[in-house]
Amino acid sequence: GENVEQHPSTLSVQEGDSAVIKCTYSDSASNYFPWYKQELGKRPQLIIDIRSNVGEKKDQRIAVTLNKTAKHFSLHITETQPEDSAVYFCAAAINTGTASKLTFGTGTRLQVTL
Amino acid sequence: DAGITQSPRHKVTETGTPVTLRCHQTENHRYMYWYRQDPGHGLRLIHYSYGVKDTDKGEVSDGYSVSRSKTEDFLLTLESATSSQTSVYFCAISVRGGQETQYFGPGTRLLVL
Repeated sequence: GENVEQHPSTLSVQEGDSAVIKCTYSDSASNYFPWYKQELGKRPQLIIDIRSNVGEKKDQRIAVTLNKTAKHFSLHITETQPEDSAVYFCAAAINTGTASKLTFGTGTRLQVTL
Repeated sequence: DAGITQSPRHKVTETGTPVTLRCHQTENHRYMYWYRQDPGHGLRLIHYSYGVKDTDKGEVSDGYSVSRSKTEDFLLTLESATSSQTSVYFCAISVRGGQETQYFGPGTRLLVL
């Protein structure tokens, strides 16, 4: 099955700096790559996603890049703010024919310090 | 919140007892999923459903069963709970099940003593 690796597991940046989280996947059939943010005690919330026919996508301070050849994708957060502190999960989806199954990375705890 | 609720939100039970968790959605989404979340493992798919009475296994399905007798409810049952099933359980829905966003419910925190 699909395997998604995520690095780093923890990341500390100063407010205003950029943060980058990287993920690799194993199955070339994966075609959808969402990123979720999870605050303590809350549900995962989608922050951005990218499909396999697109190389880059931006939404204000957040961007995601996808390199299908290398099977890796990355989340970039610019001008970080304290409210960006959370755990971030990447995921890769494979369509099984009946549904889309997500495989998640193990998460990155981002801490934005003042 | 995509109209998803989970019940109970918290539960403490003893090893060997059966437990059923409920996921309820109000928007007639076809696809529903159950995940468990454990430290160091992220979220792992237990079972999913692609319609009423249509279900399939995920990567960690051993010890779990599911049922979906109507569109709005997806039930997860632990037939005989074990301490290794202590976890936070999230339900999710998606609209079409293909390259589509999955929206998560608020979660159920389960402790098996």
